Amino acid sequence: EPEVTQTPSHQVTQMGQEVILRCVPISNHLYFYWYRQILGQKVEFLVSFYNNEISEKSEIFDDQFSVERPDGSNFTLKIRSTKLEDSAMYFCASSPGQGLLNEQFFGPGTRLTVL
Amino acid sequence: GQSLEQPSEVTAVEGAIVQINCTYQTSGFYGLSWYQQHDGGAPTFLSYNALDGLEETGRFSSFLSRSDSYGYLLLQELQMKDSASYFCALREGGKLIFGQGTELSVKP
Repeated sequence: EPEVTQTPSHQVTQMGQEVILRCVPISNHLYFYWYRQILGQKVEFLVSFYNNEISEKSEIFDDQFSVERPDGSNFTLKIRSTKLEDSAMYFCASSPGQGLLNEQFFGPGTRLTVL
Repeated sequence: GQSLEQPSEVTAVEGAIVQINCTYQTSGFYGLSWYQQHDGGAPTFLSYNALDGLEETGRFSSFLSRSDSYGYLLLQELQMKDSASYFCALREGGKLIFGQGTELSVKP
């Protein structure tokens, strides 16, 4: 069964450093997302991406964040200068198309720890 | 904006039936979804209601009443592996807005 994959599973970085989190969405899906979950809290939307551009972003997704789909398979989230409060689990998700946006397929997540 | 409320914890015994409620507030309704998340794992889609009534998927069912801004997830024949967090979620545009989650503990 196709699945969303993410690398790395765990990333430790120093405050102020740049990190890139990588995702490979399900191959025939058209909509891509990043969410994050701070330990013990709910899942929060960061950004959605469709047709090679950002379609929506949350207040969390400020100028320090960017997303890219550099080729036909990868979808990346970059945090330019990490802060302590960026420590969280980051989930990539994808969905097939307009009529199925309620059903999003999540990857296993990258646990980001900022020291 | 949107908000969702669900109980923080529910406990039930193996083989029983449990209902997890979710009330919501939204200015535009595009469906109520349910996701399961095992400890530290990825949220997994369980069910979705766009219209009033009951949707059944195996042991899991989900109900929606749009007039009451209310839905629930019903889990039957509980198994130990059902111990997890369950989130209701509203769709706003293309994104999902999640509730705080209900931690279900299934006891033998």
